[in-house]
Amino acid sequence: AQSVTQLDSQVPVFEEAPVELRCNYSSSVSVYLFWYVQYPNQGLQLLLKYLSGSTLVKGINGFEAEFNKSQTSFHLRKPSVHISDTAEYFCAAFATGGTSYGKLTFGQGTILTVHP
Amino acid sequence: DAGVTQSPTHLIKTRGQHVTLRCSPISGHKSVSWYQQVLGQGPQFIFQYYEKEERGRGNFPDRFSARQFPNYSSELNVNALLLGDSALYLCASSARGETQYFGPGTRLLVL
Repeated sequence: AQSVTQLDSQVPVFEEAPVELRCNYSSSVSVYLFWYVQYPNQGLQLLLKYLSGSTLVKGINGFEAEFNKSQTSFHLRKPSVHISDTAEYFCAAFATGGTSYGKLTFGQGTILTVHP
Repeated sequence: DAGVTQSPTHLIKTRGQHVTLRCSPISGHKSVSWYQQVLGQGPQFIFQYYEKEERGRGNFPDRFSARQFPNYSSELNVNALLLGDSALYLCASSARGETQYFGPGTRLLVL
């Protein structure tokens, strides 16, 4: 079984400030990790993914995330946010084996609100 | 390239009715997955199909069923609708299963 926990349900931040959205995961098998963004009344857009290799991955719109196996974390960061980054962000884990293979498990989401 | 498409975009049904949701994957993708997203929560996995075979099933009752066609499009069927089935239903396509690209969703309201 696997689970994903997003540690903050809401994160308010001012424009041009840095932001970190926190994600921890738990799994009995190896996982691939993803961050998605969801704008109001829309589907999910893939921001970035970690499958293997370098633990620092870069995505679209200036976002990056770091995979930390020892802390089972995959935190999302952006050095300077824009108003347009206001959205809900989801961390997700894909089990690479076991009975959960094929299933993306999502966290509960973090609502990022960027204030002018 | 066209992304994942879903139809209809919105749907209103009454309790006890049946609904069929449709999804067309990205060209070249052979895997389709379905998720239910209730307001205020993360998406929950319902099914994954790959090459027309069911590869995974989430913790949903038998009222939920799906299939994948030879052109890799997919249908999600829900029988005997309950109020609690009201949600955004998301379809995702992928080439091999792990990196999933989502469609805009179908918003279902059950009255």
